[in-house]
Amino acid sequence: EDQVTQSPEALRLQEGESSSLNCSYTVSGLRGLFWYRQDPGKGPEFLFTLYSAGEEKEKERLKATLTKKESFLHITAPKPEDSATYLCAVQARRNYGQNFVFGPGTRLSVLP
Amino acid sequence: SAVISQKPSRDICQRGTSLTIQCQVDSQVTMMFWYRQQPGQSLTLIATANQGSEATYESGFVIDKFPISRPNLTFSTLTVSNMSPEDSSIYLCSVAPSSELSYNEQFFGPGTRLTVL
Repeated sequence: EDQVTQSPEALRLQEGESSSLNCSYTVSGLRGLFWYRQDPGKGPEFLFTLYSAGEEKEKERLKATLTKKESFLHITAPKPEDSATYLCAVQARRNYGQNFVFGPGTRLSVLP
Repeated sequence: SAVISQKPSRDICQRGTSLTIQCQVDSQVTMMFWYRQQPGQSLTLIATANQGSEATYESGFVIDKFPISRPNLTFSTLTVSNMSPEDSSIYLCSVAPSSELSYNEQFFGPGTRLTVL
């Protein structure tokens, strides 16, 4: 069964204090791994897609990396506006359905 | 990016009734999806809404409970039928402009918050 876990469940950082969020996955045939940001009361907002181990992508203070078993979302010098829930999702190769599996998310709070 | 609206934004319904949720996109898109996000949990994909044919349901979801329509490339509806309190959730519509196997981006609507009494 395809599974996605994320850690920590919640993270509180001071402004400027860099850290990393972890996404571990078990899937038979990875089609893609996705990172999303979700603010309270809103739908998720797309951040990155990673397709193969060793791939890295950056956007402003965020950098996503991928290995064969996990992905990291590195946040450099975060600001209060980076506070949100960060969701990781995988898409598995199957013959039927789209097979997107989302993790439970990491709630990030950045304090000024 | 695509702008997605959903109606209603929230509703409170009685057990045994049905609710139809609408999803409207400001541009033609290839793929449209319906998700459920139960309180305190992450997203679960319900189905892919296919234009001109039946929806493709993920494991654990059936057409009788969640009938879906997609009459054109900018609109879809999801009906939650014969509701029970366990159906209380946020229902989200998403779209992906690309029809390629790996979808680079999904754009999500704001969601419909459903409470079943």
